[in-house]
Amino acid sequence: DIQMTQSPSTLSASVGDRVTITCRASQSISSSLAWYQQKPGQVPKLLIYMASNLESGVPSRFSGSGSGTEFTLTISSLQPDDFATYYCQHYHSYPYTFGQGTQLEIK
Amino acid sequence: QVHLVQSGGEVKKPGASVKVSCRASGYNFMSNGVSWVRQAPGQGLEWMGWINTYNGNTKYAQKFQGRVTMTKDTPTSTVYMELRSLKFDDTAMYFCARDGKNWGDLDYWGQGTLVTVSS
Repeated sequence: DIQMTQSPSTLSASVGDRVTITCRASQSISSSLAWYQQKPGQVPKLLIYMASNLESGVPSRFSGSGSGTEFTLTISSLQPDDFATYYCQHYHSYPYTFGQGTQLEIK
Repeated sequence: QVHLVQSGGEVKKPGASVKVSCRASGYNFMSNGVSWVRQAPGQGLEWMGWINTYNGNTKYAQKFQGRVTMTKDTPTSTVYMELRSLKFDDTAMYFCARDGKNWGDLDYWGQGTLVTVSS
């Protein structure tokens, strides 16, 4: 199985900061990577697909990059609504797997 | 408008089985596969498996092989996930989620079904 490792596990930041979350795959997954945001008690929300494509309706301050084994999710200017947990997920081959999550906290 | 509506919460004893449903609406049911993802309390997301809603083919995570079955009922646009031989650590929120544009990204999710395994 392909393992997905996110870093950091927890990130403290302030409104207006630029933040980057990294996701590494244990083997190449091309660009078959998605990013999700999940708030407490809510369903995960798709932000990015195919590593760098913004899902419809997602603010443009979110962006994704990378291919192969290393990927990043960047939020260009943090807004209060962005404090949540973020997950990467590969869909290169079965079984799909998720990263362990990055909790983005208010500093 | 796409909706995935799941069945209600369940409480089961260890060793029992649970069957969760996920009814789709607002799109062509057979055009998008459906994955099942679970989340134990306070934990991350865990992909369990996937069903092709066109032909019923399935893919399961090795961890659940032999214990999970995913099925579909096309006339009612419903997919089902049955998990057998329940253990305490199967207590989790179970989500169904639809394949998005690239057949693997999950663009619409059900509201979740809490399955509690308790003696």
